[in-house]
Amino acid sequence: AQKITQTQPGMFVQEKEAVTLDCTYDTSDPSYGLFWYKQPSSGEMIFLIYQGSYDQQNATEGRYSLNFQKARKSANLVISASQLGDSAMYFCAMRGNDYKLSFGAGTTVTVRA
Amino acid sequence: GAVVSQHPSWVICKSGTSVKIECRSLDFQATTMFWYRQFPKQSLMLMATSNEGSKATYEQGVEKDKFLINHASLTLSTLTVTSAHPEDSSFYICSARSPSGTEQYFGPGTRLTVT
Repeated sequence: AQKITQTQPGMFVQEKEAVTLDCTYDTSDPSYGLFWYKQPSSGEMIFLIYQGSYDQQNATEGRYSLNFQKARKSANLVISASQLGDSAMYFCAMRGNDYKLSFGAGTTVTVRA
Repeated sequence: GAVVSQHPSWVICKSGTSVKIECRSLDFQATTMFWYRQFPKQSLMLMATSNEGSKATYEQGVEKDKFLINHASLTLSTLTVTSAHPEDSSFYICSARSPSGTEQYFGPGTRLTVT
C-alpha cells in the first residue's frame, strides 16, 4: 500500500519569499513517480512538477523545485519568489506500478502582500 | 497540451434522482480514466478506475451500484450517481492517463449538490 503524508495543514508566506512544503511517502514499489499539484479555489488540479524514483537530478520547473531525498522518502516542494497567485491548496501525490495516484492531505498556502 | 473536459461543471439535483457526469479527453486517446471525489478542504479520494471496453475497478468502500461508470470509447468515460442523496454532494474530478502512462491529466471537476 502507498501512503503520502503532508503534515502542514496551512502555511503563510510573505510575497517574494520562498516556501517549502513537506511531503513524505511510503511504498514497496521499486519504481514510482512523485507529483505536486496546485488546486486554487476554482477546483482545477494544476500539475506543477514530477520526479521519477530513478531520476538522479532533482526536478525543477520555473519557480518550482522538488527536493527529492530517496533514502528519507521525502519529496518536498520549494516555491521560490512567492506571488499572490500562488495562494492555493497544494497536493503531493505518488503513482505506483498500478498507475493510480495516492494523494496527501494537502497544504493550504496563503501568500501575504 | 493534453486537455480533459468534464460536463457539467456544476449540477443541482433532487434527492432520489440520477445524475450523469461526462469526462472527455479532447486531444488524445485514453484507455484508462480515473474518477475521484473530494469533500471541501479535503484530499482527493480515488473512487474507481475506468478502462475502455471493460468493467470499472472500484476502490474499497465505493458502492459500484450507486456510482455507475461506463468507458464506452477511448475518449469518453461517464459517472452516473444513481438515486442521489444529500451525502453524495461533493466535487467529482476525473483524470485521463496519458498515452505514455506516466501522467494523469485532470478535468476541471463537477460540483454536485443534492437537495
